[in-house]
Amino acid sequence: KNQVEQSPQSLIILEGKNCTLQCNYTVSPFSNLRWYKQDTGRGPVSLTIMTFSENTKSNGRYTATLDADTKQSSLHITASQLSDSASYICVVSAGRGGSQGNLIFGKGTKLSVKP
Amino acid sequence: EADIYQTPRYLVIGTGKKITLECSQTMGHDKMYWYQQDPGMELHLIHYSYGVNSTEKGDLSSESTVSRIRTEHFPLTLESARPSHTSQYLCASSQRLAGELFFGEGSRLTVL
Repeated sequence: KNQVEQSPQSLIILEGKNCTLQCNYTVSPFSNLRWYKQDTGRGPVSLTIMTFSENTKSNGRYTATLDADTKQSSLHITASQLSDSASYICVVSAGRGGSQGNLIFGKGTKLSVKP
Repeated sequence: EADIYQTPRYLVIGTGKKITLECSQTMGHDKMYWYQQDPGMELHLIHYSYGVNSTEKGDLSSESTVSRIRTEHFPLTLESARPSHTSQYLCASSQRLAGELFFGEGSRLTVL
């Protein structure tokens, strides 16, 4: 069964600190992996999309890594800001051709950044 | 900023009422989607469309229906709302399969 597991479920850090969120998946065949940021009560916003051949991708203070062999991804946030408080969702696209009907969503990690 | 809009943002209605959640995008995307999300849970695909006059059910069974008469418009309708329909409904679009998804702000529905 295709699954995406994220950890931790929730995380509290102090402003200015770094943190790393984890995503493990059992999705086959693999097409791509995405990280989204979802503010409370809002729609998700894309941070990165990574294909099989990409190991690292950055978007400002966000850096995603992908290990397709171990089926693991991480999202590293550097020098956290209060505005980083949100849920971070890992999504894996299954199937060759990447049908949007085969997107497997994780439950997300809820990050709280405190002053 | 994504040009995809959902109305209403919040709706509280009584059981048995008919409701339509509106979704419009100005990006010219052929692919549009409706997801349902409960608090702290993952998004589940309930409907999708690959173009005008194309609609398909997603992997989560839903009593809602959708239509796609125009490229930019993808409304979702519940003929008779029940408390079990209380949830957040997110509309999204993409330019191509496996491409980046652009989400609307969501419609939070509460059925009393």
